[in-house]
Amino acid sequence: AQSVTQLDSHVSVSEGTPVLLRCNYSSSYSPSLFWYVQHPNKGLQLLLKYTSAATLVKGINGFEAEFKKSETSFHLTKPSAHMSDAAEYFCVVSDVNAGNMLTFGGGTRLMVKP
Amino acid sequence: DAGVIQSPRHEVTEMGQEVTLRCKLISGHNSLFWYRQTMMRGLELLIYFNNNVPIDDSGMPEDRFSAKMPNASFSTLKIQPSEPRDSAVYFCASSFGGSGNTIYFGEGSWLTVV
Repeated sequence: AQSVTQLDSHVSVSEGTPVLLRCNYSSSYSPSLFWYVQHPNKGLQLLLKYTSAATLVKGINGFEAEFKKSETSFHLTKPSAHMSDAAEYFCVVSDVNAGNMLTFGGGTRLMVKP
Repeated sequence: DAGVIQSPRHEVTEMGQEVTLRCKLISGHNSLFWYRQTMMRGLELLIYFNNNVPIDDSGMPEDRFSAKMPNASFSTLKIQPSEPRDSAVYFCASSFGGSGNTIYFGEGSWLTVV
């Protein structure tokens, strides 16, 4: 069975400092991995997606994530946080052996201090 | 592209009333998902359609909930009778080619049952 663990439910950073949101997954095969962002009172927006191509994936708004199979991780990073990055972030895994169903992590709420 | 369109955006209804939530898929997409989001349980998949056929409805809470796709571009989620514990944000999402591909979310329908 596939699963996703987002290691921090809340992360607080200062504006201009780096962001690291951690995600570990469990999957029986070669998964597809996604990061979605949800701003307050909004739907979920795709940030980036990994599908067995380059292990370092670049997304929108300066975010990127690196797929590390040996560590079963897909952490999301950004060099410099902006106030507009404050939102909830979801790590998602999809595995062909699970019928390509999506499994969502519990979410990480990112707070950005001025 | 207009994206996934959901209506109503907000609904307040009394317990026992019927609620119908509507969703228009992105043109060309053939997979449709209904999710429910609450503070207590996070994001839950209710039902997943592919090519108008329900593939997985194991997340539908009980018989009070039903979902249909009367055509390839439109879906409804009905709750009858509604209860206060149904209060949540209901998201519709669509994709092309099945669950393993990127899914695109609507802005959500915010339901309050009093």
